[in-house]
Amino acid sequence: AQKVTQAQTEISVVEKEDVTLDCVYETRDTTYYLFWYKQPPSGELVFLIRRNSFDEQNEISGRYSWNFQKSTSSFNFTITASQVVDSAVYFCALSGNDMRFGAGTRLTVKP
Amino acid sequence: GAVVSQHPSRVICKSGTSVKIECRSLDFQATTMFWYRQFPKKSLMLMATSNEGSKATYEQGVEKDKFLINHASLTLSTLTVTSAHPEDSSFYICSARDQGGGSLNTEAFFGQGTRLTVV
Repeated sequence: AQKVTQAQTEISVVEKEDVTLDCVYETRDTTYYLFWYKQPPSGELVFLIRRNSFDEQNEISGRYSWNFQKSTSSFNFTITASQVVDSAVYFCALSGNDMRFGAGTRLTVKP
Repeated sequence: GAVVSQHPSRVICKSGTSVKIECRSLDFQATTMFWYRQFPKKSLMLMATSNEGSKATYEQGVEKDKFLINHASLTLSTLTVTSAHPEDSSFYICSARDQGGGSLNTEAFFGQGTRLTVV
């Protein structure tokens, strides 16, 4: 069975702090994809990144970076120099035949 | 990325009536679409997987007679909440997988979501 665990329910930081959102997954598939989505208060899901199981290279996109470690089944997401606009719920997801989401982490960035 | 359009974005209906939510892939063919339900401050829970031309596959605990799914074409799937009750009030989101490349493990694109309120 596929499972995604986001142990951090809520995180609160002050603007300009760095913050890391944890994601741990379980799957028996050898080929799979991992995703991060942002959900602002409007409810729409905003795609942030997709990573396939064969690509363990870390990725950086502006203030965002992702650390994929297959050995620990983790796909953590770091926001550097956080901003108030980063406040949202962030979901990690695992895709095989369907897509399963973690419980989400609510990030609040205070000015 | 590809576009998935979900309609309506908000709907209020009376208890006992039925509501239909549409999910369209606008610029790609989606043989598979997924329907999720999200309660306030909760995660997205997969309700069912909709396959074009065949019956939907429902997750355990989801009533298939209450949540009717029709995937009649490669670009349209509908979710009908039948005889809606206040406990059905929720945020419903669809997603469609672009399977043009033939792989199942491709990105799923999400609709904007539908906030259903049953009064």
